[in-house]
Amino acid sequence: RKEVEQDPGPFNVPEGATVAFNCTYSNSASQSFFWYRQDCRKEPKLLMSVYSSGNEDGRFTAQLNRASQYISLLIRDSKLSDSATYLCVVNRGYSTLTFGKGTMLLVSP
Amino acid sequence: EAGVAQSPRYKIIEKRQSVAFWCNPISGHATLYWYQQILGQGPKLLIQFQNNGVVDDSQLPKDRFSAERLKGVDSTLKIQPAKLEDSAVYLCASSLVAGSVGEQFFGPGTRLTVL
Repeated sequence: RKEVEQDPGPFNVPEGATVAFNCTYSNSASQSFFWYRQDCRKEPKLLMSVYSSGNEDGRFTAQLNRASQYISLLIRDSKLSDSATYLCVVNRGYSTLTFGKGTMLLVSP
Repeated sequence: EAGVAQSPRYKIIEKRQSVAFWCNPISGHATLYWYQQILGQGPKLLIQFQNNGVVDDSQLPKDRFSAERLKGVDSTLKIQPAKLEDSAVYLCASSLVAGSVGEQFFGPGTRLTVL
């Protein structure tokens, strides 16, 4: 089983739609979880951290299910500018991170 | 605040040649990372420095890749000799906090093509 698995997509959605991405991780000892966003031919940037209680940042909601080793990202009211690849990231070891392959989102007018 | 700087931005070489990449992290950031990102994949950690010491180089192909971070600031990553499968974007990242997981700030990357 891969350390971090994501559906590569692409997810094609119209503007205003709600879309959800899932991610599973294999290391039950992982403690830190993140979603990074990567625009085409650009560097990754932190979108949000994922906390055990779930957290929300505007239109974005992240959830963590430790029992199932599963992380999710929900985007409401999608904008054209949300088109990007969303990378699920989990810590491996004390201070290192493992990145998933990413899920591509394409938002159309 | 200046971001992570990398050079060159693009490099094309032939297989068996050598190449070096340079990274200047954000001022004051203790931890520096080099990642390899192959097209369609997520970034894969090659090496992690904390100040000028190596924290993790378990995924660095040491027969051909080397990296150093002199004086705990700038870093260079070298490939010698390059293979076709080394074609990728090499990303440098830095984080402020030493010894724990914090936000990583990435540079624009160096896009390497090996012919």
